[in-house]
Amino acid sequence: DTGVSQDPRHKITKRGQNVTFRCDPISEHNRLYWYRQTLGQGPEFLTYFQNEAQLEKSRLLSDRFSAERPKGSFSTLEIQRTEQGDSAMYLCASSHHREYTQYFGPGTRLTVL
Amino acid sequence: QQPVQSPQAVILREGEDAVINCSSSKALYSVHWYRQKHGEAPVFLMILLKGGEQKGHEKISASFNEKKQQSSLYLTASQLSYSGTYFCGTEGLTGGGNKLTFGTGTQLKVEL
Repeated sequence: DTGVSQDPRHKITKRGQNVTFRCDPISEHNRLYWYRQTLGQGPEFLTYFQNEAQLEKSRLLSDRFSAERPKGSFSTLEIQRTEQGDSAMYLCASSHHREYTQYFGPGTRLTVL
Repeated sequence: QQPVQSPQAVILREGEDAVINCSSSKALYSVHWYRQKHGEAPVFLMILLKGGEQKGHEKISASFNEKKQQSSLYLTASQLSYSGTYFCGTEGLTGGGNKLTFGTGTQLKVEL
């Protein structure tokens, strides 16, 4: 069990550019979650998958955000036309549907200049 | 509705005890507790489920008052490694391991 991994760990981009983040969950986990965390705040839910199906999306997730989990394993989160307000830590977590515990990855810190 | 945590911050001497509280305005299925150190991922500590089931670390205990929608995390004989920000994450009555709504956190610092 190597834990949840995320790539890249840090991303600096210019406003208006597109960025894509990857999350690899714990291998036997079929649920995968994306959260966003800004400084001094707790994580905020963005979206979640069970296997390859995206089951819930937050209203925080504007049309510029899209997430996929094509084969029910890794997931990608894409942000199009980034804005300075998108600067945050993007956290991925995974769990098994028979358990309740979500295990978090190290996050991708996005800075939009 | 974001759960409210108290206190916002606490400083302890090594060996002292602390209690962190989490209160929600909505009916809850579960409460999850995490500790996060600066620049790192949140680390799972404890989960409390409606009906009394608990899962977590041996040295940390917690309670869940289902009627009041409140949970408390008890840290005893604190160690330097306990320093960090503690978050409670709450799950509504739909249950099933879905999204968590996190509180604003409690910053804990343990000093020698």
